[in-house]
Amino acid sequence: DAGVIQSPRHEVTEMGQEVTLRCKPISGHDYLFWYRQTMMRGLELLIYFNNNVPIDDSGMPEDRFSAKMPNASFSTLKIQPSEPRDSAVYFCASSFGPSETQYFGPGTRLLVL
Amino acid sequence: DQQVKQNSPSLSVQEGRISILNCDYTNSMFDYFLWYKKYPAEGPTFLISISSIKDKNEDGRFTVFLNKSAKHLSLHIVPSQPGDSAVYFCAATHQGQGAQKLVFGQGTRLTINP
Repeated sequence: DAGVIQSPRHEVTEMGQEVTLRCKPISGHDYLFWYRQTMMRGLELLIYFNNNVPIDDSGMPEDRFSAKMPNASFSTLKIQPSEPRDSAVYFCASSFGPSETQYFGPGTRLLVL
Repeated sequence: DQQVKQNSPSLSVQEGRISILNCDYTNSMFDYFLWYKKYPAEGPTFLISISSIKDKNEDGRFTVFLNKSAKHLSLHIVPSQPGDSAVYFCAATHQGQGAQKLVFGQGTRLTINP
């Protein structure tokens, strides 16, 4: 299996622009997680899905952030409008079952100027 | 409020010696603990875990120790190898709440010197 796939790997954008990050989980995994890593806050959970349904979005920082999972093989994290403080590495992870190991993608490094 | 803390940002160890990485937590509801390893430009990868019903779990060169009374866990790597150089994250969660909502520490950068 190819593992969790994220795109783009790097994104540079200007403040105010819309940013869309993409994730393809491992086939057969029914849980998908979005994390953000910053110097200040470390690695923190933003939202997770089970069977394409958002279960817990308590980590989503603001209404500017939204996440969707239209099908079992694709999820997006959107920031609109983006701000410089959104600059971070965003990771997607998936697992087969609620208590199973989470497998992380390589991350998307986002820089908002 | 940082519920999981790794107080050492970095650690340097000689090849062949033991590496000990430490982690403290504050939330007494945490009952499952994990260590992840991260190389540059890659996502974290699972290394080893321990349930709160145990005080030790071993997997090859890696052993995790849990001291519930002190709310402290440690990862021992012996012998240390150059390929172990990476950032290590401690994570904790409370099981039985659905998916594993992992709370991560800030990470410790381990460097193994030849």
